[in-house]
Amino acid sequence: GEDVEQSLFLSVREGDSSVINCTYTDSSSTYLYWYKQEPGAGLQLLTYIFSNMDMKQDQRLTVLLNKKDKHLSLRIADTQTGDSAIYFCAESTPSASKIIFGSGTRLSIRP
Amino acid sequence: DTGVSQDPRHKITKRGQNVTFRCDPISEHNRLYWYRQTLGQGPEFLTYFQNEAQLEKSRLLSDRFSAERPKGSFSTLEIQRTEQGDSAMYLCASSLGGQGANYGYTFGSGTRLTVV
Repeated sequence: GEDVEQSLFLSVREGDSSVINCTYTDSSSTYLYWYKQEPGAGLQLLTYIFSNMDMKQDQRLTVLLNKKDKHLSLRIADTQTGDSAIYFCAESTPSASKIIFGSGTRLSIRP
Repeated sequence: DTGVSQDPRHKITKRGQNVTFRCDPISEHNRLYWYRQTLGQGPEFLTYFQNEAQLEKSRLLSDRFSAERPKGSFSTLEIQRTEQGDSAMYLCASSLGGQGANYGYTFGSGTRLTVV
């Protein structure tokens, strides 16, 4: 079955790097995503990675995919207060009929 | 294009009443999705449409829930005889079908339902 798991909370100091981890169960997942949700807002797509890639970098964001271990991570370099949000890991099925989300990791930034 | 719009933003209703929510997707997107999000959880898939056809429904979508997309543009989600457990944020998203769907959805800001 499809399941996506994440740790619930992460606290980092401003300026440090944040690493948010995720595991998924469906080995046939084709795309994996990171979404950001700020209070009272909908979900914003941050980045995605195709399952045949190991890494994707986009400015301060680095996504690492270990397909063997079904592990996905999101690294945010130089974390800022504006990065405070809930980050959702998600996967899509081969038929691309729907995206399955994890429960989200709440990232808080301390001065 | 203003993105995905949902109306209303907030709805408070008494238990047992019916409610209807509306979603206007991005105009060129042929796929439209409904998700439900409760506090502390990620969005849970409810149903999706390709054009006007409803192609998949989750087990979460009880017979009190019905969704339509009559002309393949906007969609409505109706909940009949609301229960307190229906209190949640209802999110709508849209995408281009086929390969486009793999590049993620565009979400609306959601409708927050509170059943009292």
